[in-house]
Amino acid sequence: EVQLVESGGGLVQPGGSLRLSCAASGFTFSDHYMDWVRQAPGKGLEWVGRIRNKAKSHTTEYAASVKGRFSISRDDSKNSMYLQMNSLKIDDTAVYYCVRGFSGFDSWGQGTLVTVSS
Amino acid sequence: DIQMTQSPASLSASVGDRVTITCRASQGISGSLTWYQQKPETAPKSLIYDASSLQGGVPSRFSGSGSGTEFTLTISSLQPEDFATYYCQQYKSYPYTFGPGTKVDIK
Repeated sequence: EVQLVESGGGLVQPGGSLRLSCAASGFTFSDHYMDWVRQAPGKGLEWVGRIRNKAKSHTTEYAASVKGRFSISRDDSKNSMYLQMNSLKIDDTAVYYCVRGFSGFDSWGQGTLVTVSS
Repeated sequence: DIQMTQSPASLSASVGDRVTITCRASQGISGSLTWYQQKPETAPKSLIYDASSLQGGVPSRFSGSGSGTEFTLTISSLQPEDFATYYCQQYKSYPYTFGPGTKVDIK
């Protein structure tokens, strides 16, 4: 069974930084593209970014709203993905989901809440 | 960016009703579309991928159709557990984008 577990969310001040982690199990993590998707309170879903697999050199893509501030990385030896978030803004407040990228997003974690507030 | 729209924004239906939700893309996306179901306080769940392929474990009352710019999600006989919000999403090109959602509630 595919399992994705996010951690690292919390309260941070505007301009601050936070690093989210995603621990994967139940599948061959290194083979898969992985993504982050977020959902602001009471709002819809927004794709944040993607990291490809080793075969594609772990290249990344980002939404315009986070490009230059957020960075996605992975450690295939630990079956883990990370989201480094810098220069956080109030508008970044959301539940952040770790998702497996396959024909859309076929598996989702439970999400971790990031609140940006002073 | 490819803009995704959904209609209706919300609907009220009864158990046993046939429900259809429409999703439109601002430009052609072939069949690169997924439908998700989200219940309150839970993560979305993939229902349909590649516009018409049923995700494993999803009941056969859910079906998807369409290609290009217009897509539909149909629930053939609405069940109590189907009351939720439904989103479409394109994965034809970056940035991947979602529709605004359709909330299905009890009449």
